[in-house]
Amino acid sequence: GAVVSQHPSRVICKSGTSVKIECRSLDFQATTMFWYRQFPKQSLMLMATSNEGSKATYEQGVEKDKFLINHASLTLSTLTVTSAHPEDSSFYICSARDPAGFTDTQYFGPGTRLTVL
Amino acid sequence: GENVEQHPSTLSVQEGDSAVIKCTYSDSASNYFPWYKQELGKGPQLIIDIRSNVGEKKDQRIAVTLNKTAKHFSLHITETQPEDSAVYFCAALKGVTGGGNKLTFGTGTQLKVEL
Repeated sequence: GAVVSQHPSRVICKSGTSVKIECRSLDFQATTMFWYRQFPKQSLMLMATSNEGSKATYEQGVEKDKFLINHASLTLSTLTVTSAHPEDSSFYICSARDPAGFTDTQYFGPGTRLTVL
Repeated sequence: GENVEQHPSTLSVQEGDSAVIKCTYSDSASNYFPWYKQELGKGPQLIIDIRSNVGEKKDQRIAVTLNKTAKHFSLHITETQPEDSAVYFCAALKGVTGGGNKLTFGTGTQLKVEL
């Protein structure tokens, strides 16, 4: 149980285009999902907390107009990187909180490797 | 806010030996401490977690200990195998009703199990 999927696993795009990444909880309903960014050989950096049916809460320094988050259902959250630039190239990972277990337990997706040319 | 320090950054052990990774946290109100294993190019996988009302938890070859007074917790892997090679992250969280609080991660430990 507690499986989180992400799509796509890898995406390459041209500078200036927008990219959408999907995060799905496959076997549970996630009222809260989280989006992280990870640079090579570094730890995970929380970008935003996504709550179903409400606006996302962004961490300090994260541009909300550049990283659009939508959590329209209990099993799906999306992250859209708008007008992507090479510096946005990174590994983006989502996680979801399974309310059936410990309310604080987060399960992570497999990640999406974004490369902006 | 919470700050989590993790040591060592790299750890090499011989197959069959034990590996220990240590973390310290700053916020005494933190009450949930998970450990994640991340293989290259993949997302983190929860391997074990502990809450502050417990001092130790074990799951087969993996154990976690927590010292609330000293604000540190450790991951112990016994009888290491090559497939244990990965990056391990500790994390801390101050959980409240609703569970929407944030995990603060350590900097990671690259574990290499050599044959």
